[in-house]
Amino acid sequence: DAGITQSPRHKVTETGTPVTLRCHQTENHRYMYWYRQDPGHGLRLIHYSYGVKDTDKGEVSDGYSVSRSKTEDFLLTLESATSSQTSVYFCAISDPLKGRGEQYFGPGTRLTVT
Amino acid sequence: KQEVTQIPAALSVPEGENLVLNCSFTDSAIYNLQWFRQDPGKGLTSLLLIQSSQREQTSGRLNASLDKSSGRSTLYIAASQPGDSATYLCAVEGRDDKIIFGKGTRLHILP
Repeated sequence: DAGITQSPRHKVTETGTPVTLRCHQTENHRYMYWYRQDPGHGLRLIHYSYGVKDTDKGEVSDGYSVSRSKTEDFLLTLESATSSQTSVYFCAISDPLKGRGEQYFGPGTRLTVT
Repeated sequence: KQEVTQIPAALSVPEGENLVLNCSFTDSAIYNLQWFRQDPGKGLTSLLLIQSSQREQTSGRLNASLDKSSGRSTLYIAASQPGDSATYLCAVEGRDDKIIFGKGTRLHILP
């Protein structure tokens, strides 16, 4: 498996509280991504990063912010969690200069907002 | 806006049969297309990636083809086994760096 870890793996939080999910990689890949996966919607891109401090929005970015201060870490923050943000969150990495540029995924974080 | 469709949503086949999974996309200006498998409660595992300039890629019993002009890709699985049961997802990367996934095909191989 590619060296990608996500923390926490499971979290239950209350509506209105801030939540930060962490993705850590040991592969030195340039690109990092945050997705959410929901029944009926599949995987949807939230935000991605193409380098340190370089980020861009995906298709479902409202209510989420990200930061990347180091190559190996990509943080996803829910400023004020809502029940609609209950989901499984996946981090992924890729680098077009390494191999074929495949995406590799972390194990996921299951977030429940009550 | 790119849209990726996978049909069928679910498929059951007896063990040993060859099978084809389909993926279609609406915008042919893609950088690459990648196939993944996902086991229940797990993350995604990369199977094959086809660059836009390529027509197919092979890995073991898997063969993926790409017809960019028609917006289609197929994943061919030879001699299916119960361990192949999983959800298979395709994803296309556009020239804008954004990656769009299909909703997947849930495959069940009957022993």
